[in-house]
Amino acid sequence: QKEVEQNSGPLSVPEGAIASLNCTYSDRGSQSFFWYRQYSGKSPELIMFIYSNGDKEDGRFTAQLNKASQYVSLLIRDSQPSDSATYLCAVTEVTGGFKTIFGAGTRLFVKA
Amino acid sequence: DGGITQSPKYLFRKEGQNVTLSCEQNLNHDAMYWYRQDPGQGLRLIYYSQIVNDFQKGDIAEGYSVSREKKESFPLTVTSAQKNPTAFYLCASSTAITSNQPQHFGDGTRLSIL
Repeated sequence: QKEVEQNSGPLSVPEGAIASLNCTYSDRGSQSFFWYRQYSGKSPELIMFIYSNGDKEDGRFTAQLNKASQYVSLLIRDSQPSDSATYLCAVTEVTGGFKTIFGAGTRLFVKA
Repeated sequence: DGGITQSPKYLFRKEGQNVTLSCEQNLNHDAMYWYRQDPGQGLRLIYYSQIVNDFQKGDIAEGYSVSREKKESFPLTVTSAQKNPTAFYLCASSTAITSNQPQHFGDGTRLSIL
């Protein structure tokens, strides 16, 4: 069973701190990795994607990919209360046909 | 503005009734998807379509049906065979199944049983 796993949280950080969200995946053939933010009662919104090992930065967000260890992480610098949401990790597998698997998400609370 | 439009926002189903959820996109995407999300849960794939007139079952297709007669439209019918339909339904699209491009989501339809 191909899986994408995330700590459900909640992860609580003070305003201004760095929030670190982690995701592991089981299919070594995975090629594309995405982070979505989902506010309560709303649909997921794409915030980052990464395809190659290493770091990718976009504003306050940094995605990190380590294919050898099969994990992908999202760092949020200078966390704001408006960052409080559930963050979904999604991985596109190639083995057995292209399929995007979503993790169950990590709930993040940023305390003012 | 390009995007994905789902309607209605809220839907109520009576016992034994079939209901249809609408999904329209103007992004010129070939691939479209339907997911179900239960409270505190991740997304589960119901059906997906790579191209017009073609669709495939996902992980939880029982009790659901779809059609893809137009590139822009991918409606989902929740049949009376689906005994636990209460959930948040999300439609998504991407350029192609085999691309590394992300899926983009509509605003969702929340379905409840009367």
